[in-house]
Amino acid sequence: DQQVKQNSPSLSVQEGRISILNCDYTNSMFDYFLWYKKYPAEGPTFLISISSIKDKNEDGRFTVFLNKSAKHLSLHIVPSQPGDSAVYFCAASAAGNQFYFGTGTSLTVIP
Amino acid sequence: DTAVSQTPKYLVTQMGNDKSIKCEQNLGHDTMYWYKQDSKKFLKIMFSYNNKELIINETVPNRFSPKSPDKAHLNLHINSLELGDSAVYFCASSQGGWGNSYNEQFFGPGTRLTVL
Repeated sequence: DQQVKQNSPSLSVQEGRISILNCDYTNSMFDYFLWYKKYPAEGPTFLISISSIKDKNEDGRFTVFLNKSAKHLSLHIVPSQPGDSAVYFCAASAAGNQFYFGTGTSLTVIP
Repeated sequence: DTAVSQTPKYLVTQMGNDKSIKCEQNLGHDTMYWYKQDSKKFLKIMFSYNNKELIINETVPNRFSPKSPDKAHLNLHINSLELGDSAVYFCASSQGGWGNSYNEQFFGPGTRLTVL
């Protein structure tokens, strides 16, 4: 039933380095993918999205890559900053229907 | 001026009780949602609702019911609470709903429900 998986529950990165968060999915019908960022005691906030017609989308320090053949997407954060420390969720949707979320990856950026 | 707000933030109650969680959005969105995040951190959709259609995740027990007094509010009522209902519940909203939602959802801060 878990159609979106984030297999790394946590990740630690030095400030200034690149953070790479990974997400795998099983449903080939997914055509829209998002990344959310969540701080403790807050709800998830939208970070960046990508449509299946693209393989890359960039917004400032954040870039999302989509590999449809591998059913894999990744979020790159360059350079990483301490304020990026949060839990990151990926989510996927098919035809604008419900979003399926991964279980999140907790990123710690070490100053 | 919070975009999506929920009350209460924490809710501790006994098994068998009936409780409600309120949600309000001031974004003018036409669709609202309830999600449950369980102890394994899965964030699962429970309901999607706009003024025309309620879509229920079939795995949600009928003890859970959404009530929408108007477009800006979607409250969650839970009857006969069980231990397994303990979780964090998130409300969210978006422009465009089921089958038409290539827009991101805006989440509330969550309500941590503990059933004793």
